[in-house]
Parts: sequence; structure tokens; C-alpha cells
Amino acid sequence: GESVGLHLPTLSVQEGDNSIINCAYSNSASDYFIWYKQESGKGPQFIIDIRSNMDKRQGQRVTVLLNKTVKHLSLQIAATQPGDSAVYFCAEPPHANAGKSTFGDGTTLTVKP
Amino acid sequence: DAGVIQSPRHEVTEMGQEVTLRCKPISGHNSLFWYRQTMMRGLELLIYFNNNVPIDDSGMPEDRFSAKMPNASFSTLKIQPSEPRDSAVYFCASSPGGGGNQPQHFGDGTRLSIL
Repeated sequence: GESVGLHLPTLSVQEGDNSIINCAYSNSASDYFIWYKQESGKGPQFIIDIRSNMDKRQGQRVTVLLNKTVKHLSLQIAATQPGDSAVYFCAEPPHANAGKSTFGDGTTLTVKP
Repeated sequence: DAGVIQSPRHEVTEMGQEVTLRCKPISGHNSLFWYRQTMMRGLELLIYFNNNVPIDDSGMPEDRFSAKMPNASFSTLKIQPSEPRDSAVYFCASSPGGGGNQPQHFGDGTRLSIL
């Protein structure tokens, strides 16, 4: 069935290094993706989104790359900080005609000082 | 700006009891979503509303679950009767648009424990 999934459940990096979190999706018609960050005891927080007419989008210290050919997207975090430690989800929101919101299982990012 | 507000933050009750979770979406947002999060299943969409109308409730586990949105600023999720397997964190989220291509803004969730 249609799914959005993550490659690795955990990622550990050294403070200051760059982090890359990957995500695969199965629906070739998917046209919008969102990355969320979830800290312990809190709800998911929007980080960045990308539409299918783009292959790259940059925010503050974050970049999302979309490869529609292989149905893959990634979140890159530059100069990772301890405050970046959290679970990261890629997601597709519900659509009026699809009605499903699909979240991946999440990648736990741990930043070592 | 006030975000999505959920209450209560924590709920502990005995099985068989009715549980009511509450959500106030961000003002002006047209869509509201209820999610359940567990270690085993991750984030699951239960139901979502657009302009107070339920659009898709196929994620609602069974008839014990019901959700209402009587107006644009309030929604409830009820479980009656509750069972231990309903224990989870329940999130409410809202988004500005009804078409879907908008990020969702989440509340901090209600942690529900059914004994």
C-alpha cells in the first residue's frame, strides 16, 4: 500500500557535524511533503516543506531534497546542535480526495556534545 | 500566537470509563485532525474535519471512538467505553487550508492511560 517510510530509526552525530535523514515514499502521485521535528513530551513541529515541482528547498540550517525519480527525500541539518536532538518525521498531509495523512515511523537524532 | 490547545494534558482512568479529549484549533484554520501515537504504530490519523465537517473517519479504530466539531473553535474526541489498549498520546492538529497542501500545527497532546 501507499506509505512514507524512513530508512533508519536512529542517527547519532557529533555536535557541529551535518546530519542527513532520509525518507522514501511509494506513491508517485505524491505532490507535497513535510518534515516535522518532535521533542520529548511535545507534538510534532513543522520544520520545512517541499512541493513536487521543486527538488530542493532551503531553510535556516535545514535543506530538504526531493528526488522524484527514486521517490526519495532527505532532510539535511547543517552544524547540528544538541537542541536538534529529537525524532524527525517526513509526512504527507491528508488531501481532500485522499483523506489520508501518512507519517513515517520517525528517525531519532541524537547529537553528542 | 496561541497554538493548538489540548486538554487535559494527562488522563488516567479505569477501563470502562468514558474519556473526553478536547481541542481548540488555531483561529482561522479550516482543518482539524485527530491523531494517536504509540510506540508500536507511530502516528495514526484517526479523523479529520474540514470546515467542521468530518471528511474521513476511516482511521477511527472502532465504534467506541467518536469525534465532533460543533464549531470552528472546538473539537472533542470521545472513547466510550475505554480499554487499556486505548492508552496512547492523542494529538490534535489544525491547518489553514482544506485542500491538503499545508503543514499541520500540532498541540502538545493528551497522554491517556487506561488502567
